[in-house]
Amino acid sequence: DAGVIQSPRHEVTEMGQEVTLRCKPISGHDYLFWYRQTMMRGLELLIYFNNNVPIDDSGMPEDRFSAKMPNASFSTLKIQPSEPRDSAVYFCASSLSGTYLLSGNTIYFGEGSWLTVV
Amino acid sequence: KQEVTQIPAALSVPEGENLVLNCSFTDSAIYNLQWFRQDPGKGLTSLLLIQSSQREQTSGRLNASLDKSSGRSTLYIAASQPGDSATYLCAVGEEASNTGKLIFGQGTTLQVKP
Repeated sequence: DAGVIQSPRHEVTEMGQEVTLRCKPISGHDYLFWYRQTMMRGLELLIYFNNNVPIDDSGMPEDRFSAKMPNASFSTLKIQPSEPRDSAVYFCASSLSGTYLLSGNTIYFGEGSWLTVV
Repeated sequence: KQEVTQIPAALSVPEGENLVLNCSFTDSAIYNLQWFRQDPGKGLTSLLLIQSSQREQTSGRLNASLDKSSGRSTLYIAASQPGDSATYLCAVGEEASNTGKLIFGQGTTLQVKP
């Protein structure tokens, strides 16, 4: 498998514009996570899905943020309108339920989408 | 609210040295703890996962220990190599069967000098 695939890898946008980040999880994984990483706050969980259903969105900072998972192989994170403080690296990750008893790698991260809002 | 702290924030050692990275958490009611590696500009790679009932896990030159009652974990790296240079993050798991719902520490950036 190619791993978790995110796009775009880098995006620079102007304040007020809509930003859409995309994620393709590993085939067969039933959990999908969106994390955000900043220097100030580190890595924070924004939202996660199980079997395409949003389970916990308590980490979504504001109503400007929304996430969808229309099918098992695709998810989007949208910011509308974007603000400079949204500048961060956004990671998508996926995992398979039932592997939690393993000691090895159970969650796989994409390489991130680097967002800069100017 | 769970807080995860990693000390030191940065560490520089000569090649070949054995080293220990520290992680502490405020709430001992965790289900698991993971150590990750992050290379510059890359995503995270899970290194080791310790279930709450376990005391340690080993993979190659890496050994992670967990003392849940004291809220501490350590990652021991034996015979460090320049290729070990990266940021190491620990994360505690808040759900029993979901290893992806994690609270992360800020990480320790390790530099191993040749």
